[in-house]
Amino acid sequence: QSALTQPASVSGSPGQSITISCTGTGSDIGNYNYVSWYQHHPGKAPQLMIYDVTKRPSGVSNRFSGSKSGNTASLTISGLQAEDEATYYCCSYAGFSIYVFGTGTKVTVL
Amino acid sequence: EVKLVESGGNLVQPGKSLRLSCGASGLDFDDYGMHWVRQVPGKGLEWVSGISWDSVNIGYADSVKGRFTITRDNAKDSLSLQMNSLRPEDTAFYYCVRQSANDAFDIWGQGTMVTVSS
Repeated sequence: QSALTQPASVSGSPGQSITISCTGTGSDIGNYNYVSWYQHHPGKAPQLMIYDVTKRPSGVSNRFSGSKSGNTASLTISGLQAEDEATYYCCSYAGFSIYVFGTGTKVTVL
Repeated sequence: EVKLVESGGNLVQPGKSLRLSCGASGLDFDDYGMHWVRQVPGKGLEWVSGISWDSVNIGYADSVKGRFTITRDNAKDSLSLQMNSLRPEDTAFYYCVRQSANDAFDIWGQGTMVTVSS
């Protein structure tokens, strides 16, 4: 059960697009389409942004999108806004009722 | 209003036990899997344990297996985490989390802090 690998930080200017990668293995991301992404602002509870690799819960901006290729999932934020500044975590089902989170990526809006 | 409220966090000595509880309101508790996720202050999220709606399927992170036990009481809309043989590295903020029908964590409590220190 190793944590999924994410870049420690990603930055972009307002209006730009950024992509956060999340690399796992054939036992988690590569084997299941149960990848989700969470936005976490300090002092608040994490918020679900993407589930089932590509789907957005109601109320989440369509500026957020997800994808997957092999053992790597990605979250793209388009039209970056100041309010997007937060830490983002990916998560994958890993079989046998086990889940694993990513290491987290701090997004900075320049 | 859908709400998850954790309780039971405290300062405890290494080797001791602690029991966390989570009360649910505003949701059909017995329709959903439930989980515990923790965060060491300043560090990332770590999935700890999860239990299916019917308590048949249970999973634990390797870091807590054999020491922590997750249970639920659907009649009382409550989730518990019994933590034994606590270690300093168990010090973290513990969140109670609902698993949606789509295998994602869609509702989070505000968390309860567990500090393991002598």
